[in-house]
Amino acid sequence: AQSVTQLDSQVPVFEEAPVELRCNYSSSVSVYLFWYVQYPNQGLQLLLKYLSGSTLVKGINGFEAEFNKSQTSFHLRKPSVHISDTAEYFCAVSDVNGKLTFGQGTILTVHP
Amino acid sequence: DSGVTQTPKHLITATGQRVTLRCSPRSGDLSVYWYQQSLDQGLQFLIQYYNGEERAKGNILERFSAQQFPDLHSELNLSSLELGDSALYFCASSVSPGTHYEQYFGPGTRLTVT
Repeated sequence: AQSVTQLDSQVPVFEEAPVELRCNYSSSVSVYLFWYVQYPNQGLQLLLKYLSGSTLVKGINGFEAEFNKSQTSFHLRKPSVHISDTAEYFCAVSDVNGKLTFGQGTILTVHP
Repeated sequence: DSGVTQTPKHLITATGQRVTLRCSPRSGDLSVYWYQQSLDQGLQFLIQYYNGEERAKGNILERFSAQQFPDLHSELNLSSLELGDSALYFCASSVSPGTHYEQYFGPGTRLTVT
C-alpha cells in the first residue's frame, strides 16, 4: 500500500523568506510523486512531479522538490515566497493507473 | 481554468436524500477521476473511469455510484445521504490513465447535508 505523510499541518513564513514543506512517502513499488497546490475556493493545480530521472524537479511558480530515496522524502522548496503563495499544498503518490493518494495537506501562510 | 467543469457548484440537501454530481472532462480527455475532500478524511480517491469503463476503485461507499457516459461526461450518484457525506467532491480528467498523464482538476462541488 502507498501512503504519504506531510510533516507540518501549517507553515507560517514572512514574505521573501525561503520555505520548505516536508513530505515523506511509503511505497512498495515504483514511486511516482507529485505536489499540488489548492488556492482558496479552487481546485487543485499541479506544481511538479517526479516520475524518474533527475532527483531535483523544478515546477511552476519557482517551486522545486528533491526526491530522496534513502530518506523516502520529497520535500518542496522555494527560495523566496510571495504573498500569493498562500495556499494549501498537497503531496501525493500515484500508482501505475494514476490513482493519487494524498497527504493531509500543509497550509502555507505568507505574512507581509 | 483547467477546462474541467463540475455542476452544481453548491448543493444543500437533507439526510436520506439522493443527489447527482456532474463532471465534464477537458476536451480530448478519456479518463475521469472522482475525489472527496473532507475535514475528517482529507483528500481521498473514490473511483476512476476510462472511456466509459470503470478502471479503479478506492474508498467509495456502497451508497455511492458513478458512471461515465458515451460523450465522456461522468456522474457521481450519492444516495441515503448522511451528515458525514458533507464534503467537497472533485472531478479530475486526463488524456489516459497512468502516472505520465497529468490530471486536471475541476473547481469541485460542495455538498452540505443537513
